[in-house]
Amino acid sequence: GEDVEQSLFLSVREGDSSVINCTYTDSSSTYLYWYKQEPGAGLQLLTYIFSNMDMKQDQRLTVLLNKKDKHLSLRIADTQTGDSAIYFCADAPRGTASKLTFGTGTRLQVTL
Amino acid sequence: EPEVTQTPSHQVTQMGQEVILRCVPISNHLYFYWYRQILGQKVEFLVSFYNNEISEKSEIFDDQFSVERPDGSNFTLKIRSTKLEDSAMYFCASSSAGLYSYEQYFGPGTRLTVT
Repeated sequence: GEDVEQSLFLSVREGDSSVINCTYTDSSSTYLYWYKQEPGAGLQLLTYIFSNMDMKQDQRLTVLLNKKDKHLSLRIADTQTGDSAIYFCADAPRGTASKLTFGTGTRLQVTL
Repeated sequence: EPEVTQTPSHQVTQMGQEVILRCVPISNHLYFYWYRQILGQKVEFLVSFYNNEISEKSEIFDDQFSVERPDGSNFTLKIRSTKLEDSAMYFCASSSAGLYSYEQYFGPGTRLTVT
């Protein structure tokens, strides 16, 4: 079945760039997502990329997609303490209104 | 900014009891979803709902689960006879129709504890 994997933990210094990686197995994935979860809060949709794109930039966020290797990454430029959270990668096999398959989540710790 | 809301934020129930988790999706959205996250595990899809019927459900969504849109604003998940393993955070999500239907917006979750 479909599977999405992420590393569990990343620690970066404030001001540095963070890169969170994700791999997925479903070659039919049409949309790939990044969600952010702060303590005690729900899942916040950060950004997403359509599978025919290689890169998407949105302010401090850059998403890179390598469809051949089924690898997705999220780069956060100038990481701030407010970026400390769990980041979930997810894919949607059919895109439109379909179920999301989530990764385990990567806990990002930002240190001073 | 419109958001998905869920009540209650925390529900404690005894094994075998029925629970109803409530969600108010974003007002112009037409697709609705339930997911759950058992502590320390991945967020898992349970069910999707459109046009007053289930569109898709996972293996987890067995006969003890049901969903309903009782009125124009609420979307509920009922668990008929709770088990210890139903303890989890339950997230409701919604998406609009058409061009942006792939954008799923999540509520803050209901933490269900079955004792």
